[in-house]
Amino acid sequence: KNEVEQSPQNLTAQEGEFITINCSYSVGISALHWLQQHPGGGIVSLFMLSSGKKKHGRLIATINIQEKHSSLHITASHPRDSAVYICAVRSEETSGSRLTFGEGTQLTVNP
Amino acid sequence: NAGVMQNPRHLVRRRGQEARLRCSPMKGHSHVYWYRQLPEEGLKFMVYLQKENIIDESGMPKERFSAEFPKEGPSILRIQQVVRGDSAAYFCASSRQNTGELFFGEGSRLTVL
Repeated sequence: KNEVEQSPQNLTAQEGEFITINCSYSVGISALHWLQQHPGGGIVSLFMLSSGKKKHGRLIATINIQEKHSSLHITASHPRDSAVYICAVRSEETSGSRLTFGEGTQLTVNP
Repeated sequence: NAGVMQNPRHLVRRRGQEARLRCSPMKGHSHVYWYRQLPEEGLKFMVYLQKENIIDESGMPKERFSAEFPKEGPSILRIQQVVRGDSAAYFCASSRQNTGELFFGEGSRLTVL
């Protein structure tokens, strides 16, 4: 079992829909990151969380440390949100910002 | 303030050649991380460096791979005697502190023929 599990693996939505991507992890962590990767492109860091909730524009990220679970929500989704969304955790025991990554969720938003 | 700069963006090598990938961190960042993304796979940690020091190289293959982050200049990931299995996207990230927010580069895509 991977240390970081994401669901769903693939998600197709219509423009305007509310989207949720889930991430579960099995180790104690000091932080959790949500990343966005466009096809053939680089990686953009969306959020770094250690507790509670963060919001940036139409994106909201929450984390429940006790349940070892995080969610990424996208409100009023748009075709430009189509990308791979990756959850990554920094274990309490590893050095620096070494991250362990989930496999990613491929999101496609249709117009 | 330029972001994390990686070059080359694309590199083609024949088996047995050497590949050098460069990463210039964001200004003021002294922590650099290299990650590899094999085709159809997720990202995997390779190495974590600070200026002139390798802090954690537990994700690096034991042979043919090396990394450095000199006092002056970019961090370099070097792959000697490349094989087809080294074909991947190699991402660099930097941070100001070892627990700080990470900023990623655009990646270097290595193709080994």
